[in-house]
Amino acid sequence: EVQLVESGGGLVQPGGSLRLSCAASGFTVSSTYMSWVRQAAERGLEWVSIIYSGGDTYYLDSVKGRFTISRDNSRNTVYLQMNSLRAEDTAVYYCARWESRFYDCWGQGTLVTVSS
Amino acid sequence: EIVLTQSPATLSLSPGERATLSCRASQSIGSSLAWYQQKPGQAPGLLIYDASNRATGIPARFSGSGSGTDFTLTISSLEPEDFAVYYCLQRNSWPQTFGQGTKLEIK
Repeated sequence: EVQLVESGGGLVQPGGSLRLSCAASGFTVSSTYMSWVRQAAERGLEWVSIIYSGGDTYYLDSVKGRFTISRDNSRNTVYLQMNSLRAEDTAVYYCARWESRFYDCWGQGTLVTVSS
Repeated sequence: EIVLTQSPATLSLSPGERATLSCRASQSIGSSLAWYQQKPGQAPGLLIYDASNRATGIPARFSGSGSGTDFTLTISSLEPEDFAVYYCLQRNSWPQTFGQGTKLEIK
């Protein structure tokens, strides 16, 4: 069964850091494209970052230079390192598998709250 | 960035009725549009891809149409489990963007 399980969310102060993890099962993350998508109440769903099977990475403009997507093939896990967090980064963060034309598998989400 | 505008924001209907949801793109995206359904506490689930193709396991009462800038998701006869929030997603150009959602509620 194809499954994604996120972890690592929590409460962090503005300017702080968090690392989100997305553990995959039933498929190999290095053979596909993996994204992080976030959902904040005020802004709806928003694509954040993607890592291609070849290793190329892309980011939403507002997180460039602050967030880094990566993967550990041995753990079959994708990560999102988030630094210099802002209040507007508060959201539920989902990892999702991109199958060339659509997201076909999503995790359950992990909540990130940036607040003092 | 391509902006997707969904309408209406909220649609109040009864089971058995027909639902028509709209998604309009700020520029032409061909057929590069997908529709997702999201229920409370759950991640979005794929309904339609490439504007009109039903995903695996999706009932025939769901259909998608349109191309260019105007797209429609139609639910022919609402079942109780269809009341949820629906989002469109374009993949024609980066960054991918979602519509703001249409909440389908029971009247």
